[in-house]
Amino acid sequence: NAGVTQTPKFQVLKTGQSMTLQCAQDMNHEYMSWYRQDPGMGLRLIHYSVGAGITDQGEVPNGYNVSRSTTEDFPLRLLSAAPSQTSVYFCASNPAPSYNEQFFGPGTRLTVL
Amino acid sequence: KQEVTQIPAALSVPEGENLVLNCSFTDSAIYNLQWFRQDPGKGLTSLLLIQSSQREQTSGRLNASLDKSSGRSTLYIAASQPGDSATYLCAVPSNDYKLSFGAGTTVTVRA
Repeated sequence: NAGVTQTPKFQVLKTGQSMTLQCAQDMNHEYMSWYRQDPGMGLRLIHYSVGAGITDQGEVPNGYNVSRSTTEDFPLRLLSAAPSQTSVYFCASNPAPSYNEQFFGPGTRLTVL
Repeated sequence: KQEVTQIPAALSVPEGENLVLNCSFTDSAIYNLQWFRQDPGKGLTSLLLIQSSQREQTSGRLNASLDKSSGRSTLYIAASQPGDSATYLCAVPSNDYKLSFGAGTTVTVRA
């Protein structure tokens, strides 16, 4: 199993540009999540999904969209990038129920100029 | 709202010394607690998952204890090695399907 994979590993955007961070898992996990990690603030939940077609907001959802059309994929879209979105983004997955062990991808390091 | 705190923020020890990392949480109604390791520029690797019904969980040189009533968990790493240098994060799930993370303890093991 590849586990949780994320692409790209690094990305530089200009303010106002849009892009999609890709996340895929091959463990048939129902739950998937997106976190951002910022120095001194730890990891914060952006959006999560409890199954295909079902998504919900986390702590810091503004400026981001998600969709879950398949069990395997959970892309994160930045609608109009802002410097405040400079961060490291992690995708995670876990089997239901929600409190099972979570598995994380390697992360995407995003810089918005 | 669940708040997770890790103290100390950084720790430097000589090789061979035992490591003690602390994690505290404000809401004791947790399902489990998970310890992660993060190497610089890398993702999170799950080390141990300790269920709310357990007092301890062990894996090799790692031992995690959990005291729900006092809102504390401790990760012990025996006989530390330079390869143990990393940031260690603890996390607890909230009822609304998210993990609340501590800010981490950055460990340096000096050869």
